[in-house]
Amino acid sequence: TQLLEQSPQFLSIQEGENLTVYCNSSSVFSSLQWYRQEPGEGPVLLVTVVTGGEVKKLKRLTFQFGDARKDSSLHITAAQPGDTGLYLCAGADYGQNFVFGPGTRLSVLP
Amino acid sequence: DSGVTQTPKHLITATGQRVTLRCSPRSGDLSVYWYQQSLDQGLQFLIHYYNGEERAKGNILERFSAQQFPDLHSELNLSSLELGDSALYFCASSVLATNTGELFFGEGSRLTVL
Repeated sequence: TQLLEQSPQFLSIQEGENLTVYCNSSSVFSSLQWYRQEPGEGPVLLVTVVTGGEVKKLKRLTFQFGDARKDSSLHITAAQPGDTGLYLCAGADYGQNFVFGPGTRLSVLP
Repeated sequence: DSGVTQTPKHLITATGQRVTLRCSPRSGDLSVYWYQQSLDQGLQFLIHYYNGEERAKGNILERFSAQQFPDLHSELNLSSLELGDSALYFCASSVLATNTGELFFGEGSRLTVL
């Protein structure tokens, strides 16, 4: 069974700080996605990374896929209260499934 | 609004009962995925349908079953409910048969078993 681990599990920071959350696995994935989930809603896709070593930027968010396609990181610069939410990584295995990590719950305080 | 509709939004029932959760995918999407989300388990993959056919099964209990109808809506049936089945159940749709595209999630159905 493929598992994805995410760290930290919880993160509470002040507005304006930078942060990095991690997604790790012992398995190789064909691609990896990051989703953000807000209370009472379903997860919403932020980015998909496909190539090992790939870096993608989405405004203040920077996503990196590990060279071996087993891990990924999400870096947020100058966090804002609107970034608050549950960040989920999801690995696409070589079958039909998306395997989700348990998430990092981020709280950005004004 | 993701375009994926799930009903009911909230459901409270008793142990031993049976419930049906319904999902209407985005227009044009042929794939429907079902996930269970509980506080300590994250999003657990249950089952995937594409154009009416089962494509993959995850950690779905024998008490649970699902199907996708010709109009592409899907239903997840949960029977002989136990307290531990209390969770958020999400449906997600995708235009692709394989796991290479974006998943669009509904708002979920919150099931409480008393």
